[in-house]
Amino acid sequence: EVQLVESGGGLVQPGGSLRLSCAASGFTFSRFAMSWVRQAPGKGLEWVSGVSNSGGKTYYPDSVKGRFTISRDNSKNTLYLQMNSMIAEDTAVYYCAKDRDGLNAFDIWGLGTMVTVFS
Amino acid sequence: QSALTQPASVSGSPGQSITISCTGTSSDIGTYNFVSWYQQHPGKAPKLMIYDVTNRPSGVSNRFSGSKSGNTASLTISGLQAEDEADYYCTSYTRSTTLVFGGGTKLTVL
Repeated sequence: EVQLVESGGGLVQPGGSLRLSCAASGFTFSRFAMSWVRQAPGKGLEWVSGVSNSGGKTYYPDSVKGRFTISRDNSKNTLYLQMNSMIAEDTAVYYCAKDRDGLNAFDIWGLGTMVTVFS
Repeated sequence: QSALTQPASVSGSPGQSITISCTGTSSDIGTYNFVSWYQQHPGKAPKLMIYDVTNRPSGVSNRFSGSKSGNTASLTISGLQAEDEADYYCTSYTRSTTLVFGGGTKLTVL
């Protein structure tokens, strides 16, 4: 069964850091680009980072560039998101998503992990 | 990297057809045929319904169809059913090598 399972969410203070992980199974992880998408409580979806299948190329929107770092370990079938200098606006459910074909469409999603930035 | 523009809500009766629009710019929808649509039920992860403007993934009902004209993409749902009630999001690849989502549209089946 194709599956993505996120972990690492929790409570963090403003200015703090958190690292999310996403364990993939049921498909050849190293063949596909991957992304993180978040959803603030009661709000819409926001793409926050993408990484090529090899890990050699990474992509970010301006809202998180310089604060978030996406990476992957193809030997462990795991995707990561390192979040630094966190702000209240980073509070959201963070979803791991498999790109169907490049940085384009997400055909497999995890259940998400909740991140709360509080003071 | 402004969000794509979608109507906040649309509604229709069972059996009817509805269309949700998604307006971008020449830097995203207008240039690239990389528009996708997602369905999200409350408390659930999103589900891919349409990719590359018009294509349906395996298992998605043919009642769902996509199109594009200029800077605007559209999702049409025909033969509305109660289970179609959900939030719908569009997304597009952009010239900045990023992805941008629409603000989302709440579909109510009356």
